[in-house]
Amino acid sequence: GIQVEQSPPDLILQEGANSTLRCNFSDSVNNLQWFHQNPWGQLINLFYIPSGTKQNGRLSATTVATERYSLLYISSSQTTDSGVYFCAVALGSGTYKYIFGTGTRLKVLA
Amino acid sequence: DTGVSQNPRHKITKRGQNVTFRCDPISEHNRLYWYRQTLGQGPEFLTYFQNEAQLEKSRLLSDRFSAERPKGSFSTLEIQRTEQGDSAMYLCASSKLEEQYFGPGTRLTVT
Repeated sequence: GIQVEQSPPDLILQEGANSTLRCNFSDSVNNLQWFHQNPWGQLINLFYIPSGTKQNGRLSATTVATERYSLLYISSSQTTDSGVYFCAVALGSGTYKYIFGTGTRLKVLA
Repeated sequence: DTGVSQNPRHKITKRGQNVTFRCDPISEHNRLYWYRQTLGQGPEFLTYFQNEAQLEKSRLLSDRFSAERPKGSFSTLEIQRTEQGDSAMYLCASSKLEEQYFGPGTRLTVT
């Protein structure tokens, strides 16, 4: 089955720093989402981005589907950015189940 | 739009008991998904409905697990004869197209 790997697995930042999170996947996908799981376990949608680049405030994401990777950029990090970041991919073509990556655990220090 | 809701939020049960969880999707979302998440792992897909039809099931969904979505609205996930290995967060998501929106989850503890 499709493999989804995220790096780095853990990241500690000082408030105000920038970071890049990476998601590699082993097969062509038609759907890709980035989520932030907060300390209470809620998965929050960040981006639906099967290809191209999107920006939302301090966050932006780029997916290069032909090279099977996606990047999530966090600029001017804040303590509220702490949590686990997941990318999830789906093959599409009649299957809608998402395969989640291993996650990046981010801690932002004040 | 009130988001996806799940009840109960927490459930503690003794091994061997049956439990049932409920998920109410975002209105007008015809697709509904169940996932399970254990500590330190990403969510794992369990099953998917389009309207009332259950179209895909994971091999993780053993015979003790059953899910329904009568009338294509809310969904229930039942676990019979719970085992300690069933302890996990059970997450529900819904979508109109490909972008999935998740509920807060039901945390199950089997003692």
